[in-house]
Amino acid sequence: DTGVSQDPRHKITKRGQNVTFRCDPISEHNRLYWYRQTLGQGPEFLTYFQNEAQLEKSRLLSDRFSAERPKGSFSTLEIQRTEQGDSAMYLCASSRGLSQPQHFGDGTRLSIL
Amino acid sequence: AQKVTQAQTEISVVEKEDVTLDCVYETRDTTYYLFWYKQPPSGELVFLIRRNSFDEQNEISGRYSWNFQKSTSSFNFTITASQVVDSAVYFCALSALIQGAQKLVFGQGTRLTINP
Repeated sequence: DTGVSQDPRHKITKRGQNVTFRCDPISEHNRLYWYRQTLGQGPEFLTYFQNEAQLEKSRLLSDRFSAERPKGSFSTLEIQRTEQGDSAMYLCASSRGLSQPQHFGDGTRLSIL
Repeated sequence: AQKVTQAQTEISVVEKEDVTLDCVYETRDTTYYLFWYKQPPSGELVFLIRRNSFDEQNEISGRYSWNFQKSTSSFNFTITASQVVDSAVYFCALSALIQGAQKLVFGQGTRLTINP
């Protein structure tokens, strides 16, 4: 298996700009998750897809955040009008089934200037 | 609500020592899963083990072993004969099944440093 792939690895942007991250899950995995990890903390759940359907969104996901998984394969996470507090590592994970372990990508580190 | 507590923020030991990382969890679910992940300096989260709530057998994998005690809501992780390559942040996590999603709830992590 190739692992979960995330792009870019690092993103530096000015406050107020929009950013988009991409996640390519392990090919046969139909479940895809996004998490956010701030410095010194464990990852926090953001949202979840089963195939192309977004079934769960955390209250952490303000209306500036949107995620898609258009064909049930790769997913994108967009943050509009970025704020300083959005600086974090954004992690994507995928799993084969509901009770199967989630496998994580390397993450995208976002820095807001 | 689900919660995972890793009381040890940082641990530092000398190579070849044994070290135990503590994890205590809270949940009202009768069916749940517990996990340990390793996050080396490179940043990726590496899956180590999954244990379901009905299986309290301890598990050993090489130098790693896990002790699951439902009575005390603990899922502790022991590394025997530690090595420098074991240096990483280790996260304990609990899965909460919400609306068909296996949402992982993570502890704050324990930073383990193995000194040569």
